[in-house]
Order: sequence, then structure tokens, then C-alpha cells
Amino acid sequence: GAVVSQHPSWVICKSGTSVKIECRSLDFQATTMFWYRQFPKQSLMLMATSNEGSKATYEQGVEKDKFLINHASLTLSTLTVTSAHPEDSSFYICSASPSGQETQYFGPGTRLLVL
Amino acid sequence: AQSVTQLDSHVSVSEGTPVLLRCNYSSSYSPSLFWYVQHPNKGLQLLLKYTSAATLVKGINGFEAEFKKSETSFHLTKPSAHMSDAAEYFCVVSRASGTYKYIFGTGTRLKVLA
Repeated sequence: GAVVSQHPSWVICKSGTSVKIECRSLDFQATTMFWYRQFPKQSLMLMATSNEGSKATYEQGVEKDKFLINHASLTLSTLTVTSAHPEDSSFYICSASPSGQETQYFGPGTRLLVL
Repeated sequence: AQSVTQLDSHVSVSEGTPVLLRCNYSSSYSPSLFWYVQHPNKGLQLLLKYTSAATLVKGINGFEAEFKKSETSFHLTKPSAHMSDAAEYFCVVSRASGTYKYIFGTGTRLKVLA
């Protein structure tokens, strides 16, 4: 149980284009989902907290217009990297918490490469 | 404020020998603590969690951790390392308020030698 999927697992795009990453909780409902970014050989950096039916809460220093988050249902959150640039290349990981629980279950991650 | 410190960035053990990954935390209240494992280019998998029940927590794949309040520690152990244990391990403390954001340690890379 408590499986989280991400799609796509890999994406390569040209600079200036937008990329959407999906995060789904497959066997539970998640009121809250989290989006992280991980640089090589580093820990995870929280970008934003996504709450179903309301606006996402962004961490300090994260541009909300650059990283658009939508949490339209209890099983799906999306992260859109708008006008991507090479510096946005990274490993993006989402997590989801079953409603009312504090344990986060992580997706397998999405590797983004912007050329 | 809460924080978590992983004392070793790299640990090397021989296959079949014990594993000890150290984690210390700081919290003004009784925390929830977690250990996650990350294999290369993968997401994080929950190994075990402490949520104020038994202080000795057993997890998956033979791992366990002991919550020691007096030492503010939550070290991860395994009696006998396997090659497949080679990965990055993260100690995490959860904030108790609001949306239960995680505070991550910097990670410990475990290498298992044949």
C-alpha cells in the first residue's frame, strides 16, 4: 500500500518550453502533497506544499510563477516548470501523505534536462 | 526549532558486518522521526518511523532504530549488511504543526564492500 507514482520519469526539453510533471497517489487519498528538488549528491529541498482545492504554499526563494502547482483532486498534483532554462535541470520528487497522517510516501522522481 | 544531524556523510562496511548510521535531532517537543533509503536515481522508500510508541522501532529489510531521548538520537542499525543495502539514507524529523513538513538530514551514503 501507499504507492505514489510520477510521470514522466525522464523528460528532455528545449529552453523556453514548459514541462508538466504529474504526481499520483495510487491507493490512498492525499489531502497534502509535497514537491521537492534534489541536486546531485545532496539532500531534498522542499519547494512547495500542495493542498487539495487550495493554493500551494511555496518555500522561500521558490518562484511560484516559475513552478506552477495544481492539486485538483485527492489523488493528483501537478508541477509545471514554465519557460524552462538549463538551470532548472534537476531531479524532482513528489510525496503524498494519506489524509490525516504525517508520514510521506515518495514518488520515484522525475529527471528533467533542459537543453 | 527542529533540526536533524546525520553525523557521517559516508559509511563503508563489509558485507555481513553490522551497519550503524547515526542521527541526532533537536526538537522542543516529542518528535516524529523517520529513516528513508534512496537508491540511485530513485525516490525515497520508508524504512521505519518513530511516533512516540515503542522506542525500538523495527523496519523493513532487517533495519531497526532506537529512539533515545536522553541522547537525542535515532541511530539506524542492521546486524548484517547486504550488497543491496548500498544506498543513500536520510534521517527525517517531522514538524508537528500544520502540514507536517519534513526536515531532512544531509544524508549518509552507505557503501557495502564484498
